Amino acid sequence: DQQVKQNSPSLSVQEGRISILNCDYTNSMFDYFLWYKKYPAEGPTFLISISSIKDKNEDGRFTVFLNKSAKHLSLHIVPSQPGDSAVYFCAASVIIQGAQKLVFGQGTRLTINP
Amino acid sequence: EPEVTQTPSHQVTQMGQEVILRCVPISNHLYFYWYRQILGQKVEFLVSFYNNEISEKSEIFDDQFSVERPDGSNFTLKIRSTKLEDSAMYFCASRAEAFFGQGTRLTVV
Repeated sequence: DQQVKQNSPSLSVQEGRISILNCDYTNSMFDYFLWYKKYPAEGPTFLISISSIKDKNEDGRFTVFLNKSAKHLSLHIVPSQPGDSAVYFCAASVIIQGAQKLVFGQGTRLTINP
Repeated sequence: EPEVTQTPSHQVTQMGQEVILRCVPISNHLYFYWYRQILGQKVEFLVSFYNNEISEKSEIFDDQFSVERPDGSNFTLKIRSTKLEDSAMYFCASRAEAFFGQGTRLTVV
């Protein structure tokens, strides 16, 4: 049961252009969404998050958009830089018995070409 | 900047042996988690821990897994009798945004 899906396993973007990473979810109980970036041999690094009461959150080059009716979120990176090449995971959060649980998508490998 | 620390970074163990993976969460955090990522697959939730007890566990977290905070600061994941399919990267995390450790690679041979 894949509650969080990233349908594109990989994405290639020219340096300086916009990278758009997409994520879909099925569980309407999710109330908080996060994006993580992961380099090889390292743990995921938190990038940006958005609460379900908002539809946009921006932090520097990173913007996350949430469309609740479509159960879809996206991460925009502009302008894309070579250091952005990594695997990006979206995650959705739900509170169960007082504890927060994250459900991850399978990841999208972003490659920024010079 | 505070960080979650995991030791060891890589452990190789014989099938059937017990392993203990260690984590030092960010101090003052109250919620702790273990996740794992089998090579080529997505990050999977294993267990969450709050107030010195398990608050939720996934179906992966069967009787051979256990967690504890032995001394109030460390947070450990024990696998009693490892199987080949336990080979994965194991990540510890704490609090809401889940600050992850760098991971421990477990290889079961």
